Amino acid sequence: AQSVSQHNHHVILSEAASLELGCNYSYGGTVNLFWYVQYPGQHLQLLLKYFSGDPLVKGIKGFEAEFIKSKFSFNLRKPSVQWSDTAEYFCAVNARSGGYQKVTFGIGTKLQVIP
Amino acid sequence: KAGVTQTPRYLIKTRGQQVTLSCSPISGHRSVSWYQQTPGQGLQFLFEYFSETQRNKGNFPGRFSGRQFSNSRSEMNVSTLELGDSALYLCASSNLAGNTGELFFGEGSRLTVL
Repeated sequence: AQSVSQHNHHVILSEAASLELGCNYSYGGTVNLFWYVQYPGQHLQLLLKYFSGDPLVKGIKGFEAEFIKSKFSFNLRKPSVQWSDTAEYFCAVNARSGGYQKVTFGIGTKLQVIP
Repeated sequence: KAGVTQTPRYLIKTRGQQVTLSCSPISGHRSVSWYQQTPGQGLQFLFEYFSETQRNKGNFPGRFSGRQFSNSRSEMNVSTLELGDSALYLCASSNLAGNTGELFFGEGSRLTVL
């Protein structure tokens, strides 16, 4: 069964600090990878996604993530965080298997950015 | 294009009761997935429906059930509620284009069981 591990459950940073959130998954086949974000009081929305091709993907608001197949990792990065980045971040994996879909999420990382 | 709509947004029930939650997907999306979100557990997969058929199911007891209608709207039902069922229940739709798994979420139904 596929699983997703997020290593940091609660991260506190000052504005302008750099961010890296770890994500590892366990699945041996082809995967699609996602990062979702949930801002306070809002619904989950897609931050970025990897399907194929360039393993470095860029998302909204200056976020990027790098897919490292050999490490089964898909870490999220941002060079300089802002107070408005305070949110909960979820890594997710969709293991492609025909037409069946099951997207598995990590436990989430709460990011608090201090002005 | 309207987003995913979930009703009701908030509800309070007592132990032993049952509850039905509704989800209207984005127009044209035929896949609907349900998740339970609780602090410390993240999002737990409940089930996924496509064309009125449940195609995948998570590790939840049989008290949790769902269905999908011909217009792709979906409902989930929880019977004999327990205190531990208190959670945010999220619905997500997908158009399955390329089978990428990208999900579009509703705002959720927050269930409190007393």
